[in-house]
Amino acid sequence: QKEVEQNSGPLSVPEGAIASLNCTYSDRGSQSFFWYRQYSGKSPELIMSIYSNGDKEDGRFTAHLNKASQYVSLLIRDSQPSDSATYLCAVNRSWGKLQFGAGTQVVVTP
Amino acid sequence: DAGVTQSPTHLIKTRGQQVTLRCSPKSGHDTVSWYQQALGQGPQFIFQYYEEEERQRGNFPDRFSGHQFPNYSSELNVNALLLGDSALYLCASSLDSGAGADTQYFGPGTRLTVL
Repeated sequence: QKEVEQNSGPLSVPEGAIASLNCTYSDRGSQSFFWYRQYSGKSPELIMSIYSNGDKEDGRFTAHLNKASQYVSLLIRDSQPSDSATYLCAVNRSWGKLQFGAGTQVVVTP
Repeated sequence: DAGVTQSPTHLIKTRGQQVTLRCSPKSGHDTVSWYQQALGQGPQFIFQYYEEEERQRGNFPDRFSGHQFPNYSSELNVNALLLGDSALYLCASSLDSGAGADTQYFGPGTRLTVL
C-alpha cells in the first residue's frame, strides 16, 4: 500500500464544471495536508493547506479532510482551461517531511 | 518579496561525476527541504535543514549530502552520479513554527540530466 494514494487520471472535466480530486493516506499520525498544482515542466505551487476535519474554501477551491477515514479531497468549481495541470496531494508526516502522492492529471476541455 | 530561488536551472553531467545544487529560501524563512521528482512521480523527500543542521532525512543514500549556511541558503551535493539520479530537484522553504516546518513553498527546480 502506497503511503499517499491518488487516482492518476487523466480526469477530463468540461469547462465550467466541478473537478473532484481524491487522496488517501496511511499514517494516522499525520497532522497537516496540502494540495499543490504543478504545470508540466514547472515546480509545484501551493493551492491550499488544511489541518482540521471539515471543509476549507479558498476562491474556487474547496478542500475537505476526514482524519477518521484518512481521506482528503479537493473540489475545483467553475473549472477553467488554466486549471489543466497535475494536482499533488501532500501529507506532513512529521516536522515538515512531506509525503506526496503521484498526482492526478486534470484536463479541462472547452 | 523574493520567492525561493534555485540555481542552476538545468545541468547535464556524466555518470560518476559530482554535482552541487543551490537554493535561497523565501525571505523570512529559516528551513530548507530538498526533494527529488522523477518524471511522472510525486516529489520524494531527500532531507531538511534547520539551524544549519540536517534535521530529517528520507530514504536516500549517503551520496546525497547537504549544507545550510548562516543566511539560511542551502546546497545539495550528489556524488558518484548514476543514470537514475536524473530528475527535477526541488528546494522548498518554510518557517519553523516550533512544532516543525509546515507550509512549504517550492522553488523553480533544477533539472539534472545524467548521461
